[in-house]
Amino acid sequence: DIQMTQSPSSLSASVGDRVTITCRASQSISSYLNWYQQKPGKAPKLLIYSASSLQSGVPSRFSGSGSGTDFTLTISSLQPEDFATYYCQQSYSTPYIFGQGTKLEIK
Amino acid sequence: QVQLQESGPGLVKPSQTLSLTCTVSGGSISSGSYYWSWIRQPAGKGLEWIGHIYSSGSTNYNPSLKSRVTISIDTSKNQFSLKLSAATAADTAVYYCATEPRTFGPNWFDPWGQGTLVTVSS
Repeated sequence: DIQMTQSPSSLSASVGDRVTITCRASQSISSYLNWYQQKPGKAPKLLIYSASSLQSGVPSRFSGSGSGTDFTLTISSLQPEDFATYYCQQSYSTPYIFGQGTKLEIK
Repeated sequence: QVQLQESGPGLVKPSQTLSLTCTVSGGSISSGSYYWSWIRQPAGKGLEWIGHIYSSGSTNYNPSLKSRVTISIDTSKNQFSLKLSAATAADTAVYYCATEPRTFGPNWFDPWGQGTLVTVSS
């Protein structure tokens, strides 16, 4: 199985901050990497697919980059509604594996 | 826009079979454009892909659960289902159904159902 490691596991930040979350795959997954946002009691929501493509309806302050084994999710200017948990997920091969999550909290 | 809704018992006894159904609306499960997936999340923990099925009935399961999992599809009802046998407390989780576009490249989970909590307890 391809393992996914996210860092940090938690992060405190303020409204307006620029935030970066990283995800590392245990082997090359090309650009087969997705990012999701999950709020308490809700299903995950797709933000970024294929490493850098912004899902329709997602604000442009979210961006993704990377290929191979190292990927990043960047939020350019945090808004109050962005405080949530973020997961990466590889779709290179089954079983599809998610990162352990990064909880973004208000400082 | 495709929408998904999970249904099934919220309480299952240990050693019994956990059974859930996902009803698809806004599109045909037979369209051939999607894989139909099950994903679960124990309380306070991360996401685990259980497996998926294609409209032809072909399946792919997570090896960690493969011996206990069956995913099936009912095109006449526009539904797909999950059965997890020999349930234990470790199977207590929120279970989500979701779709993956059937591409020859990268794919992703979107949309998702709202999720349903299943507790395994006597």
